[in-house]
Amino acid sequence: EDKVVQSPLSLVVHEGDTVTLNCSYEVTNFRSLLWYKQEKKAPTFLFMLTSSGIEKKSGRLSSILDKKELFSILNITATQTGDSAIYLCAVEATSGTYKYIFGTGTRLKVLA
Amino acid sequence: DSGVTQTPKHLITATGQRVTLRCSPRSGDLSVYWYQQSLDQGLQFLIQYYNGEERAKGNILERFSAQQFPDLHSELNLSSLELGDSALYFCASSVGVVRDLNTEAFFGQGTRLTVV
Repeated sequence: EDKVVQSPLSLVVHEGDTVTLNCSYEVTNFRSLLWYKQEKKAPTFLFMLTSSGIEKKSGRLSSILDKKELFSILNITATQTGDSAIYLCAVEATSGTYKYIFGTGTRLKVLA
Repeated sequence: DSGVTQTPKHLITATGQRVTLRCSPRSGDLSVYWYQQSLDQGLQFLIQYYNGEERAKGNILERFSAQQFPDLHSELNLSSLELGDSALYFCASSVGVVRDLNTEAFFGQGTRLTVV
């Protein structure tokens, strides 16, 4: 059964700290891995990763995929209170048809 | 504001009933995705349409169906509702298929369905 596991489930840090969020997966016919940030309601897209070892970067956020070890990490440096959110990892896979499997998310709280 | 519009915002209905959730994608977006988010199961992908045709299918129950119309808006129909169907239902849209064009999907604010 396809699954996506995120860790930690929750973490609390102080502003300025660096955090690393993990996403591991076991899926048949992996196509891509996506990271989303969910604040109050609607998730917003962060990154899509398809190739191993190539870091994607957007400001203080960066992400990398390891297709051999089947995981991805999302790094946030110099965290700010506005980074507080649930970070969702999703994997696109094909099993006859395409589908997206989401992890349960990591809840990040950044304290001032 | 993502540009994706979902109606209604909230919906309360009794078990056994049927409801229709509506989604208007961003202007120019051809793909529409439906997701269900419940407290115990997290965000679950249901189904995707691209330019009117079903493109991808996730864990969508047989009691649920969706379609995308020629004007690209989409409807998700939920029938024979059960208490466990209570959840936040999101719609997202993208220009193309996320995988093919490396485009991002924009989410609507969701419809909160409560089945009583």
